[in-house]
Amino acid sequence: QVQLVESGGGVVQPGTSLRLSCAASGFTFSSYGMHWVRQAPGKGLEWAAAISYDGRKTTYADSVKGRFTISRDDSKNTLYLQMNSLRLEDTAVYYCASQIAAGYWGQGTLVTVSS
Amino acid sequence: EIVLTQSPGTLSLSPGERATLSCRASQSVSSSYLAWYQQKHGQAPRLLIYGASSRATGIPDRFSGSGSGTDFTLTIGRLEPEDFAVYYCQQYGSSPYTFGQGTKLEIK
Repeated sequence: QVQLVESGGGVVQPGTSLRLSCAASGFTFSSYGMHWVRQAPGKGLEWAAAISYDGRKTTYADSVKGRFTISRDDSKNTLYLQMNSLRLEDTAVYYCASQIAAGYWGQGTLVTVSS
Repeated sequence: EIVLTQSPGTLSLSPGERATLSCRASQSVSSSYLAWYQQKHGQAPRLLIYGASSRATGIPDRFSGSGSGTDFTLTIGRLEPEDFAVYYCQQYGSSPYTFGQGTKLEIK
């Protein structure tokens, strides 16, 4: 069955970096565009970044542009989110998700930015 | 950036009743690239509808989506106890792929 498993979350200080991973299985990962979506505690969903199926096109929300980088390694069926210059407001559960119409989502990994 | 406004913020209904949720976009959503999600507490979102009106795999037919342009609706035909949750719309026609702020469907 389809699985997306995020990892790499944790507690970090403002200004530091963190890399999230999302391991995919049960579908042809290399054929799917992928997204990162985040949700701050008690808040709604916020789309953060997307990458095309071939990795050639990436796009970002203004709130993360210039600080976060989405990438993929199809040989490992893994999606990444490199997060630099983390801010308090980046505290959230981070979900990886497939292209919208497919509807595959992971269970999320919590990133807490705290001094 | 396309801003999505969902209404109402909270909807109080009883099981068996019909629910109508609205999602209005600040500009036209291209090719009806509008999705609806259900999220229960502590869980990941679940895709219900994509392309404004296509049900995702395994979604009961009491869920239906309609609309185009700037006005979209999610209708739940007869509410089951498990349908009480938060619902979000998302447009994926143009980046950034924004979400609405959500509608909480609660038991009356």
